[in-house]
Amino acid sequence: AAGVIQSPRHLIKEKRETATLKCYPIPRHDTVYWYQQGPGQDPQFLISFYEKMQSDKGSIPDRFSAQQFSDYHSELNMSSLELGDSALYFCASSLRGALSYEQYFGPGTRLTVT
Amino acid sequence: RKEVEQDPGPFNVPEGATVAFNCTYSNSASQSFFWYRQDCRKEPKLLMSVYSSGNEDGRFTAQLNRASQYISLLIRDSKLSDSATYLCVVDQTGANNLFFGTGTRLTVIP
Repeated sequence: AAGVIQSPRHLIKEKRETATLKCYPIPRHDTVYWYQQGPGQDPQFLISFYEKMQSDKGSIPDRFSAQQFSDYHSELNMSSLELGDSALYFCASSLRGALSYEQYFGPGTRLTVT
Repeated sequence: RKEVEQDPGPFNVPEGATVAFNCTYSNSASQSFFWYRQDCRKEPKLLMSVYSSGNEDGRFTAQLNRASQYISLLIRDSKLSDSATYLCVVDQTGANNLFFGTGTRLTVIP
């Protein structure tokens, strides 16, 4: 079965640079979520989109923005990168209306800011 | 206080053992509950949703106690492949924003 696809899998950037992470949800899933997982920490919710509209917002810094496109893929744009942004960034998708709104995670993008 | 709390472990158990994890959540209005497993440097993988009536999937049994606001996961006949971090996950707001516990590390020993 098709899973969530994220690209790139690894990314190295310098401080103050920008980065764009991409997420392709499971086919027919209409909701996308972004999470940040720092070293030794649990995933923290950043933001979600349903049917191309922002659905909810968590601990996403103002330097970050995201959107969902007409084909349901989503991009997380990160500017003025800081050392503390180094983390695993997971995208998850779900089908609203499905039982329990189960979320399925992609393999993540490992961002290293130097 | 974290919204979702778990004993971080580690739990080191022999193959074939039964092991139980508990988790508590702070928001009594929480809507949905899940157990995920996460292997080192990999994505969280959904193990099972947790329903009010309790549910079982093979060697795994999940229970929910809304009155006490805790969730449990029981693993019977542990396998080496069960070694992972088990994450208790709660949708506290109904908006499907998941709150993760810090995870319980399980190591199954031959």
